[in-house]
Amino acid sequence: AQSVTQLDSQVPVFEEAPVELRCNYSSSVSVYLFWYVQYPNQGLQLLLKYLSGSTLVESINGFEAEFNKSQTSFHLRKPSVHISDTAEYFCAVMGGSNYKLTFGKGTLLTVNP
Amino acid sequence: GAVVSQHPSRVICKSGTSVKIECRSLDFQATTMFWYRQFPKKSLMLMATSNEGSKATYEQGVEKDKFLINHASLTLSTLTVTSAHPEDSSFYICSARLDRDEQYFGPGTRLTVT
Repeated sequence: AQSVTQLDSQVPVFEEAPVELRCNYSSSVSVYLFWYVQYPNQGLQLLLKYLSGSTLVESINGFEAEFNKSQTSFHLRKPSVHISDTAEYFCAVMGGSNYKLTFGKGTLLTVNP
Repeated sequence: GAVVSQHPSRVICKSGTSVKIECRSLDFQATTMFWYRQFPKKSLMLMATSNEGSKATYEQGVEKDKFLINHASLTLSTLTVTSAHPEDSSFYICSARLDRDEQYFGPGTRLTVT
């Protein structure tokens, strides 16, 4: 079995400030890790993923996440956020052979001017 | 990129009626699709795994007779909510698996049962 904990349900920040959205997971097998973003009344879009190799992965819009096996974490960071980054962010884990995704409860990132 | 559509995007139905939601992979074939339910302020809950040409696999606690899933082709899966009740009102999202680790999500369907 696997689970995902997103420690913050809401994160308000000002525009151009740095942000970190925290994600911890538990699993008895090796996992793939994902961050998805959801804008209001829309489906999920993949932001970035860790499968293997370099523990630091980046998205095209400036987000990055680092896989830390010892701390079982996959925190999402961005050095300078924009108003348009306001959305719900979900961390997810996929483990084993069933290819199912287990999601955290989400973190609402609100970027204020 | 891979595109998944859902139809309808919004539906309102009366209590006791059934409603069908379609999930289509537009530019790829998907032997596996997933159906999720999302409650307000909550995460996505996996309801079932839909496999083309075979019966769906339901997660624990999901009523298979209430949420009928059919995956008749490599690009289409349908979810039928039978005898809907107000507590079935929710946001339903499907995803289609392109590769081992890649799922592409539909835009979701907002179901309101009155």
